[in-house]
Amino acid sequence: EVQLVESGGGLVQPGGSLRLSCAASGFTFSSYSMNWVRQAPGKGLEWVSYISSSSSTIYYADSVKGRFTISRDNALTSVYLQMNSLRAEDTAVYYCARDPRGQLWFDYWGQGTLVTVSS
Amino acid sequence: IVLTQSPGTLSLSPGERATLSCRASQSVTSNYLAWYQQKPGQAPRLLIYGASSRATGIPDRFSGSGSGTDFTLSISRLEPEDFAVYYCQQYGNSPRTFGQGTKVEIK
Repeated sequence: EVQLVESGGGLVQPGGSLRLSCAASGFTFSSYSMNWVRQAPGKGLEWVSYISSSSSTIYYADSVKGRFTISRDNALTSVYLQMNSLRAEDTAVYYCARDPRGQLWFDYWGQGTLVTVSS
Repeated sequence: IVLTQSPGTLSLSPGERATLSCRASQSVTSNYLAWYQQKPGQAPRLLIYGASSRATGIPDRFSGSGSGTDFTLSISRLEPEDFAVYYCQQYGNSPRTFGQGTKVEIK
């Protein structure tokens, strides 16, 4: 069974940093691209970042470029999102999502972790 | 690409047919369009990819159709568990974008 479990969310002040983790199991992690997708409270979905299976290709949404960094550790079957210079508009539930074909669509999602940016 | 979903809310009874629309501001390359279902407090679940292919384990009452700029998700007979918010997403053009969602509620 495919499982994705996010952690690391919480309350942070504007300008602060947070590192999200997503632990994967139930599939060959090193064969799949991974993504982060977020959802602001009561709002729709927004793709945030993509990393290929070997980490050779990385993409970011314009809204987070230069502030967020995605990475992965295939030995630990985990993907990470380092978030710096956080803003109020980054407040959201952050989901990690598996990408079955490297085309940035998502066949399995984690349960999400809430990030709240507020003073 | 901007995806516009309509209607915003669909009020139907169990057993009725639901038809949800997703219109793109320009043609979606290779009809690379997906549909997701999200229930309150849960993560989204993939229903349809490639405009018309059902994801693993998705009941056949869900079907997707369309091409170019106009896409449709149909639910042939609504079950109680189908009342949720549905999002379309295009992955043929960068950046990948989602529609704003259609809520299917019990009438």
